[in-house]
Amino acid sequence: EVQLVESGGGLVQPGGSLRLSCAASGFTFSSYEMNWVRQAPGKGLEWVSYISSSGSTIYYADSVKGRFTISRDNAKNSLYLQMNSLRAEDTAVYYCARTFLYGSGSWTHDAFDIWGQGTMVTVSS
Amino acid sequence: DIQMTQSPSSLSASVGDRVTITCRASQSISSYLNWYQQKPGKAPKLLIYAASSLQSGVPSRFSGSGSGTDFTLTISSLQPEDFATYYCQQSYSTPDSFGQGTKLEIK
Repeated sequence: EVQLVESGGGLVQPGGSLRLSCAASGFTFSSYEMNWVRQAPGKGLEWVSYISSSGSTIYYADSVKGRFTISRDNAKNSLYLQMNSLRAEDTAVYYCARTFLYGSGSWTHDAFDIWGQGTMVTVSS
Repeated sequence: DIQMTQSPSSLSASVGDRVTITCRASQSISSYLNWYQQKPGKAPKLLIYAASSLQSGVPSRFSGSGSGTDFTLTISSLQPEDFATYYCQQSYSTPDSFGQGTKLEIK
């Protein structure tokens, strides 16, 4: 079964750090681009970060740039999100999501076809 | 950044109804538009990609259309399991961005 399982969420004080993990199974993890997407309580979805299959290309949302770091370990079938200088507005459920590519050549675009169950991050004193 | 706006924000309908949700992009995104369904406490599920392509395993009562800036998601005959929140997402340019969601409720 194709599956993503997040872990590492919890309660942290403003200014603190947390590292999220996402364990992949049931597919060749090293062949897929991956993402983190978050959802604040009662709010919509916000894309956070992207990493290419090799880890050589990385993007961040402006809201987390300079504070969050995405990484992956293809040998361990794992995706990570290191979150530093956390703020109250980072409080959310964090999902890892697999990229599904469609189109061809320079017109290749993406959707998110497999999602984990999410891990809750609460930033509060 | 591209802004995505969905309408309506909420919608009440009955089992068997035909329902349409609209998504508008702040600039042309060609057909690089995806739709997701999310039920309470669950992760989103991909329904449609490239504006009109049905994801594997998704019932055929779901359909999508549109290109450029205006898109629609249609459910031809609502089933009890379709009551959920629906999000559109553009993948034309980074950062990918989502609409604010449309909550579909039982009338």
